[in-house]
Amino acid sequence: GAVVSQHPSWVICKSGTSVKIECRSLDFQATTMFWYRQFPKQSLMLMATSNEGSKATYEQGVEKDKFLINHASLTLSTLTVTSAHPEDSSFYICSAILGFGTWGYTFGSGTRLTVV
Amino acid sequence: DAKTTQPNSMESNEEEPVHLPCNHSTISGTDYIHWYRQLPSQGPEYVIHGLTSNVNNRMASLAIAEDRKSSTLILHRATLRDAAVYYCILSNNQGGKLIFGQGTELSVKP
Repeated sequence: GAVVSQHPSWVICKSGTSVKIECRSLDFQATTMFWYRQFPKQSLMLMATSNEGSKATYEQGVEKDKFLINHASLTLSTLTVTSAHPEDSSFYICSAILGFGTWGYTFGSGTRLTVV
Repeated sequence: DAKTTQPNSMESNEEEPVHLPCNHSTISGTDYIHWYRQLPSQGPEYVIHGLTSNVNNRMASLAIAEDRKSSTLILHRATLRDAAVYYCILSNNQGGKLIFGQGTELSVKP
């Protein structure tokens, strides 16, 4: 089946540094990808919708200058957490639609970010 | 987006069937009912989806009420590996975003 590969699976960084998370569709083209954030014991919160070749659409309350999203190709979207702080520590998950008009959403395995 | 309501948690015994309910009284005619589950420290995985008719696949069955205001995910024989958070989500299948509610945390006892 369609697979989305997310890398890295976990990362620890120092406060003030930036971290990039990659999300790749391995055997299909993903024109649209989604980025979620999940805090412990909570549900997934949608951060933004990433469209290939255009600017991402951010959900209300998500700082676009802090969470930079780039979707430069049909198989790769990246999320960069800039100037990370301990409160950005979370589980970040990407998702892709298998094709417009289909029901299929596939998810990456997630990235555990810890900012120290 | 139409909202869904699920119990926060449920318990089941291994090898027994599990019925996970979901209320979606504001569902529109074009909304599909999707179920995903999330195992600890993993991304969600697709379980099943349907529109009006009941659906079966190798993982589960989906029973949809005639008025479509509620649905039930049925795991026919729960295993320890089925312990997860189960999310019931509505989507119009037009490539839009999926909005997750709180889901139901299912625990399975041996």
